[in-house]
Amino acid sequence: GAVVSQHPSWVICKSGTSVKIECRSLDFQATTMFWYRQFPKQSLMLMATSNEGSKATYEQGVEKDKFLINHASLTLSTLTVTSAHPEDSSFYICSARTSGSSGELFFGEGSRLTVL
Amino acid sequence: QKEVEQDPGPLSVPEGAIVSLNCTYSNSAFQYFMWYRQYSRKGPELLMYTYSSGNKEDGRFTAQVDKSSKYISLFIRDSQPSDSATYLCAPLEASYQKVTFGTGTKLQVIP
Repeated sequence: GAVVSQHPSWVICKSGTSVKIECRSLDFQATTMFWYRQFPKQSLMLMATSNEGSKATYEQGVEKDKFLINHASLTLSTLTVTSAHPEDSSFYICSARTSGSSGELFFGEGSRLTVL
Repeated sequence: QKEVEQDPGPLSVPEGAIVSLNCTYSNSAFQYFMWYRQYSRKGPELLMYTYSSGNKEDGRFTAQVDKSSKYISLFIRDSQPSDSATYLCAPLEASYQKVTFGTGTKLQVIP
């Protein structure tokens, strides 16, 4: 299957700082990428849909000013958690859909954020 | 009612058993169905993708879809300890936009 790479896989930061997580499609072009958040023992919660060259679409209840998403190219989307607080600590996972496909969604390995 | 429902488990089976994982949904717009396997602290891995009622087989895995009853299943034959993971069903609307995930079923295969 297609490969989606996420970086960093693990990050610890101080409260009040910003953290950027990158999501790359390595062997295909992804016009659409998705960002999810997952709490322990819970399923994935969609945060936003990112389309290349346009503004992201955020799900209800997700603060767009706190979770900045940029999809500047067909192979890269970034999620920046601004002014992070301990309650932002979570597992963040990106996914990408291959262009012109029948809808299969491939996931990155996830990024675990811990805010102290 | 949630759009997608799965029994959270955990489901414990002995090695070699046939495992049946099930998922029900309520949204008639769902036309495509994916099953993912997620190991602890890892991203989900796509196992099966199907879009029509009936069975689709891939190795030890068989996905079954019954759109009339809005019921989908994943069968694992000859289960192995390495199959121990959480299995997520993920229906998709025909517009290929938002994927809705079930809560996942945790499977434990005991050697």
